Amino acid sequence: GDSVTQMEGPVTLSEEAFLTINCTYTATGYPSLFWYVQYPGEGLQLLLKATKADDKGSNKGFEATYRKETTSFHLEKGSVQVSDSAVYFCALSDSGYALNFGKGTSLLVTP
Amino acid sequence: SAVISQKPSRDICQRGTSLTIQCQVDSQVTMMFWYRQQPGQSLTLIATANQGSEATYESGFVIDKFPISRPNLTFSTLTVSNLSPEDSSIYLCSVGQGQEQFFGPGTRLTVL
Repeated sequence: GDSVTQMEGPVTLSEEAFLTINCTYTATGYPSLFWYVQYPGEGLQLLLKATKADDKGSNKGFEATYRKETTSFHLEKGSVQVSDSAVYFCALSDSGYALNFGKGTSLLVTP
Repeated sequence: SAVISQKPSRDICQRGTSLTIQCQVDSQVTMMFWYRQQPGQSLTLIATANQGSEATYESGFVIDKFPISRPNLTFSTLTVSNLSPEDSSIYLCSVGQGQEQFFGPGTRLTVL
């Protein structure tokens, strides 16, 4: 079945450092791919998405490109801030059905 | 985007009792989903609830433990029955619109 694999956390970075969180997937069809973020004590929010190969999703300085050839959707940000500290979930959805989540990666950004 | 509310936002329950969680959406949606997020873990799909049909449960989840109602296109309930401490989790409902999922704020359940 479909699955998502994320890099293990926690990830600790200094402010203004470059961030990459790896995400790879397996799917039988052509899924849509998502990154969700969960800030401390808050609910789950959609950060960005991509619906087809080579699409780039972007939001709040974060980017991720749908790479069909490597089945990847890595999350990147050029300069992280303390306020980016959160748990990040990679997820896929096949044909508009429910999401299949990765295990989540906790990010801590220190001043 | 859909706006989703859940009640209660949190509760503390005794083992052996049940808790019913309500999910209200501000627009009509066909597909609603219920997820569980155990402490420090990712989200796991419990079931898909479509209006007018029985909920479809994922492996490891059964109707007797997690009965779901979906009386109309804007509302659903999830009941967690015969509670045990292992049921302590955050329960979230979500709706599908196009190729996006929107989540409610979650219900934090603690079972003593």
